[in-house]
Amino acid sequence: QKEVEQNSGPLSVPEGAIASLNCTYSDRGSQSFFWYRQYSGKSPELIMSIYSNGDKEDGRFTAQLNKASQYVSLLIRDSQPSDSATYLCAVNLMNRDDKIIFGKGTRLHILP
Amino acid sequence: DAGVTQSPTHLIKTRGQQVTLRCSPISGHKSVSWYQQVLGQGPQFIFQYYEKEERGRGNFPDRFSARQFPNYSSELNVNALLLGDSALYLCASSFVGFDKNIQYFGAGTRLSVL
Repeated sequence: QKEVEQNSGPLSVPEGAIASLNCTYSDRGSQSFFWYRQYSGKSPELIMSIYSNGDKEDGRFTAQLNKASQYVSLLIRDSQPSDSATYLCAVNLMNRDDKIIFGKGTRLHILP
Repeated sequence: DAGVTQSPTHLIKTRGQQVTLRCSPISGHKSVSWYQQVLGQGPQFIFQYYEKEERGRGNFPDRFSARQFPNYSSELNVNALLLGDSALYLCASSFVGFDKNIQYFGAGTRLSVL
């Protein structure tokens, strides 16, 4: 079983709609969860971090964490063409060190 | 403040050669991690250094090595290059213990092995 799994997409969403990105992880000891955005040819950029069950909102972005079900999601409201990118889910195991396990990423395409 | 800086930005090498990649962390960050990202995949963890000590190693062959200097900058070395080593190499720094170890990435070094 892969440690961090994401649907590779592409996920196509009309401009102005809500984009929903999902991620599951295998290690129940995982404590820190991150969403990074990566434009083609660029390095990952942190969008959200979440550590407790529930929702965390930052502008148009909402991260949701459910440790019992071992999934974390990212919602993007009022999607813009500039949101078109690959979104990487990342998990830090038990805060023992900085090792972060990344999923393969989901390609998101916002349709104008 | 400057972010994570990596050099060079691009490299072209031939099989069998050796390469050294460099990384300077954000000021105040003592942890540096290295990742390899091949096209269509997420970054794969190679090494993590904290306070000049190796703290973690991913599933990479011994051809890959790294070190961290007293100023917390770091080098990644790859010997006996293979075609499969062609990738984007990412360096990330973090302030361990604060902000739950959030990692900030540099722009990366794109390595092409011919």
